[in-house]
Amino acid sequence: QKEVEQNSGPLSVPEGAIASLNCTYSDRVSQSFFWYRQYSGKSPELIMSIYSNGDKEDGRFTAQLNKASQYVSLLIRDSQPSDSATYLCAVSPGTYKYIFGTGTRLKVLA
Amino acid sequence: KAGVTQTPRYLIKTRGQQVTLSCSPISGHRSVSWYQQTPGQGLQFLFEYFSETQRNKGNFPGRFSGRQFSNSRSEMNVSTLELGDSALYLCASSLDSPGNTIYFGEGSWLTVV
Repeated sequence: QKEVEQNSGPLSVPEGAIASLNCTYSDRVSQSFFWYRQYSGKSPELIMSIYSNGDKEDGRFTAQLNKASQYVSLLIRDSQPSDSATYLCAVSPGTYKYIFGTGTRLKVLA
Repeated sequence: KAGVTQTPRYLIKTRGQQVTLSCSPISGHRSVSWYQQTPGQGLQFLFEYFSETQRNKGNFPGRFSGRQFSNSRSEMNVSTLELGDSALYLCASSLDSPGNTIYFGEGSWLTVV
């Protein structure tokens, strides 16, 4: 079992819709969770971090964390074509090592 | 505030050669980590440095090494290059606290031929 799992996609959504990206992790001691966006040929850029159970909202983005289910998700409201990218979920078990999923490719259709 | 700076951005090497990649962290960040990204394996952790000491190491062969200088700048070296070492090498920096957000540089694209 991979330590951090994501559906590779592509996930296709129409412009203006809500995109829902999911991530599960195996290490129960994980404490910090991150979502990065990576455009083709570019490096990952941070979208959000979340540390506590529940929802965290930042503009059009909402991260949701459920430690009991070992599940973290990212919702993108009012999806735009510019949101088309690969979204990486990262988990830190409280060390200086971060474990990344292989990413979900999102395509927002105009 | 300047971001993480990596050099060189692109390079082509021949099998058997060695390569050194450089990374300057965000000002004030003393933790520097390195990742390898390939299409098949995704982002894989190489190692992490703080105060010139390696604190964590990933599951890579000894051909992959790194170091950190007193000004927090870091270098990684790959010796005896193999075709499979072709990848995007990413440096990330963060404030020194476990689980803190890490910020990536633009990466160094290495092609081994």
